[in-house]
Amino acid sequence: DGGITQSPKYLFRKEGQNVTLSCEQNLNHDAMYWYRQDPGQGLRLIYYSQIVNDFQKGDIAEGYSVSREKKESFPLTVTSAQKNPTAFYLCASSPFSTGTNTEAFFGQGTRLTVV
Amino acid sequence: SQQGEEDPQALSIQEGENATMNCSYKTSINNLQWYRQNSGRGLVHLILIRSNEREKHSGRLRVTLDTSKKSSSLLITASRAADTASYFCATTNQAGTALIFGKGTTLSVSS
Repeated sequence: DGGITQSPKYLFRKEGQNVTLSCEQNLNHDAMYWYRQDPGQGLRLIYYSQIVNDFQKGDIAEGYSVSREKKESFPLTVTSAQKNPTAFYLCASSPFSTGTNTEAFFGQGTRLTVV
Repeated sequence: SQQGEEDPQALSIQEGENATMNCSYKTSINNLQWYRQNSGRGLVHLILIRSNEREKHSGRLRVTLDTSKKSSSLLITASRAADTASYFCATTNQAGTALIFGKGTTLSVSS
């Protein structure tokens, strides 16, 4: 099945720990994105990547880091510098930049909780 | 920075009724997209309307775009309980490189 897979579905983090959320796609898409969603809120852009080995900060990049070593993978690390990491994290991909009239495909999300 | 804002924030209707959601945005766009999110799940693309289009249909969905008013509307006709979800409009950031979403409209359809 072609698609975008996020893992794990649920993740618990202790204060001061870094955690990495996985996002893999087999759609051969160039662009990948990470969003954060808080309860009752819309999606806020954390980081995005249009091509391998390149990525840009979104609106709320502080406390997060990413890498794009392979076209199909775009992991997100939530560092201890992120003071309020409890949220629902969504990964998405698109064939190329979404400015060119293309839709984005989303994973099923990872719910991160600080304990 | 949120480009689109949906209205209303919440909408409750009976099965069979029509549901209309509105989206306003701030800057010029190449296209506007609507997505649906079931509770606790990822978003699913519904429809994309280009800036030179005024109306688009897909099954029970009808989307309109008024670039002069910087607004769009999503109409779901003959709603079903399965349409219960949050609906988001999305446009692109200023660089045209990523989607920016509004806060969404939560639709509840009761049977």
